[in-house]
Amino acid sequence: AQSVTQLGSHVSVSEGALVLLRCNYSSSVPPYLFWYVQYPNQGLQLLLKYTSAATLVKGINGFEAEFKKSETSFHLTKPSAHMSDAAEYFCAVTADTGRRALTFGSGTRLQVEP
Amino acid sequence: ETGVTQTPRHLVMGMTNKKSLKCEQHLGHNAMYWYKQSAKKPLELMFVYNFKEQTENNSVPSRFSPECPNSSHLFLHLHTLQPEDSALYLCASSETSGGKNIQYFGAGTRLSVL
Repeated sequence: AQSVTQLGSHVSVSEGALVLLRCNYSSSVPPYLFWYVQYPNQGLQLLLKYTSAATLVKGINGFEAEFKKSETSFHLTKPSAHMSDAAEYFCAVTADTGRRALTFGSGTRLQVEP
Repeated sequence: ETGVTQTPRHLVMGMTNKKSLKCEQHLGHNAMYWYKQSAKKPLELMFVYNFKEQTENNSVPSRFSPECPNSSHLFLHLHTLQPEDSALYLCASSETSGGKNIQYFGAGTRLSVL
């Protein structure tokens, strides 16, 4: 079985500040991990993915995430927040074996203050 | 352009109505998914289809009836819904061979049940 925990349902940062969104996962097999972003009234857009290659993954819009097996974490970061980054962010996990559907975290709403 | 198109974008229906949601993917994927996104709840997987065959039904009430006539089209037939079924219904597709299972989402159908 797999699960994802996103710490903090709401995160607020100032424009230009570091963005850090936390994701911890649980998986009995090597996981594949994803971050998705959802803008208002839209579907989910893939930001980045970890699929057992490099542990530091770079995605779109300047975001990156680091897979840390020892900490079972896959936190999402961006050095400098933009107003356009305000959205909801979802971490998700799946695996190469067993259940293929994604298991999502409950989401973190990012607010960017001017 | 994600390659996954959902119609309608918005739907208002009474509890005795029958309606259908449509999803079409133009990505050549073999798997399609229905998710339910309710306020303040994680995304809930409803159904999974792989090569037109249903491979997962996540204990969804029978008032939701999926149909997958081919790998490019997925429907969700709705009848005698309840107000608590009001939510954003998201469709996704993926290529499951190779194990990565990266899911691409449509923009969703916002359903309101009166």
